[in-house]
Amino acid sequence: GENVEQHPSTLSVQEGDSAVIKCTYSDSASNYFPWYKQELGKGPQLIIDIRSNVGEKKDQRIAVTLNKTAKHFSLHITETQPEDSAVYFCAAEAGNMLTFGGGTRLMVKP
Amino acid sequence: NAGVTQTPKFQVLKTGQSMTLQCAQDMNHEYMSWYRQDPGMGLRLIHYSVGAGITDQGEVPNGYNVSRSTTEDFPLRLLSAAPSQTSVYFCASSYSGTSEQQFFGPGTRLTVL
Repeated sequence: GENVEQHPSTLSVQEGDSAVIKCTYSDSASNYFPWYKQELGKGPQLIIDIRSNVGEKKDQRIAVTLNKTAKHFSLHITETQPEDSAVYFCAAEAGNMLTFGGGTRLMVKP
Repeated sequence: NAGVTQTPKFQVLKTGQSMTLQCAQDMNHEYMSWYRQDPGMGLRLIHYSVGAGITDQGEVPNGYNVSRSTTEDFPLRLLSAAPSQTSVYFCASSYSGTSEQQFFGPGTRLTVL
C-alpha cells in the first residue's frame, strides 16, 4: 500500500518568516495530494490540494509543489502569522484510500 | 447544514466492553470513512464506504466493524475494546471519493482501561 513520510515533525518559526513542510510517497499511482490543517480539539480541514498534472499551486500565502518523478511534495507558507500555528498533515490518494503523513506541529512565535 | 457530526465526544470503556461510535452527515455524500489518530502517527484509515451497502477495509481494520445502511450514517463498532484502541476517532465524508475535499467531524476521544 501507500506510505507517506512527513518532515519535520515540529517546526518553530518567527512571525513573518516562511515555513516549509515536506512529504514523500511510495505509490506511483497516486494522483491527488491534499494538505490538511488541524487546530487543537478539532477535526482536520483542507487548506490546499494538488493533482498530478500540476507542478505548483498557490492560494494567497500558501503554495504546494509536486515532483512526481521524485515522489515528493511540499507545503510552503509565507509571511507566517500566529494563527498559522497548528498541526499540518499531508496525504496521498490511491485506490479509494487516503494515506496521511505523521503530521507537523507548526509553532509561529509572535 | 450540520456537516459531519460524531457522538459521543468522549468515552471511557473497560477492556472487553463493546460500543458504537456514531457518525452522520447531511450533505448527501457518498463516500464516508473512519480514521484513528494516535500521537506521531497521523491519521490511519480504519474502514471506508463508497455508498450505502458498500464497505471496505482500510489500513487498520482489526477489532472494528462498520455497516452503511443509509447514505447519512456510518457507525463504527468496537466488538471487544482493548487498551490499544485508546485513540481519537474521526469520521469524514466527501461527495464521491478520495480525490476531493474530505469533511471531518469533530472527533471522539476514546479511552480503554
